[in-house]
Amino acid sequence: SQQGEEDPQALSIQEGENATMNCSYKTSINNLQWYRQNSGRGLVHLILIRSNEREKHSGRLRVTLDTSKKSSSLLITASRAADTASYFCATDGGNKLVFGAGTILRVKS
Amino acid sequence: KAGVTQTPRYLIKTRGQQVTLSCSPISGHRSVSWYQQTPGQGLQFLFEYFSETQRNKGNFPGRFSGRQFSNSRSEMNVSTLELGDSALYLCASSLAGGYYNSPLHFGNGTRLTVT
Repeated sequence: SQQGEEDPQALSIQEGENATMNCSYKTSINNLQWYRQNSGRGLVHLILIRSNEREKHSGRLRVTLDTSKKSSSLLITASRAADTASYFCATDGGNKLVFGAGTILRVKS
Repeated sequence: KAGVTQTPRYLIKTRGQQVTLSCSPISGHRSVSWYQQTPGQGLQFLFEYFSETQRNKGNFPGRFSGRQFSNSRSEMNVSTLELGDSALYLCASSLAGGYYNSPLHFGNGTRLTVT
């Protein structure tokens, strides 16, 4: 079963706009990670946020974590066509990393 | 540093056959995890190996097995293939395992098609 659930399932925006994706999870976590997957390729790690952190930045990425609501969000600012991909949140559940179903992001140029 | 290498990239097999997939992790990484990705089920955890020992296993039938060698390279085997085994199989390596605050580094996967 999936620990994390992303919302929305799909998102289409214009280049230059911001994209926000949300992830909700069910049980307590030690960390939450975000990954990107381009079509037919492997996943690429974007950012890891620990349970005692509330916000983390990496370039154009901003991740927030609210453990009281069991939710996280990924914000991509000033999106580019190259950001078109699927984005997954992953949480540590039962001694393994469990991935959500993902958000498909399409950035139109 | 070379990334995670998975071979072969594509495979086409017939129902009932068996298949072996290979994964070479990033140098120095001792943990190797395997995932199955399908459009319907998403990313499903198969198993994780650390220093040649299976540390964790997902909810897959015994037809799915794996092993890790002393150089950390890993193989997974699927016997008596079924149509539903068609999927992208992803291998990921990390220093300690993704749940130990250690990110996973994925290969580009092996696309298995069972006919």
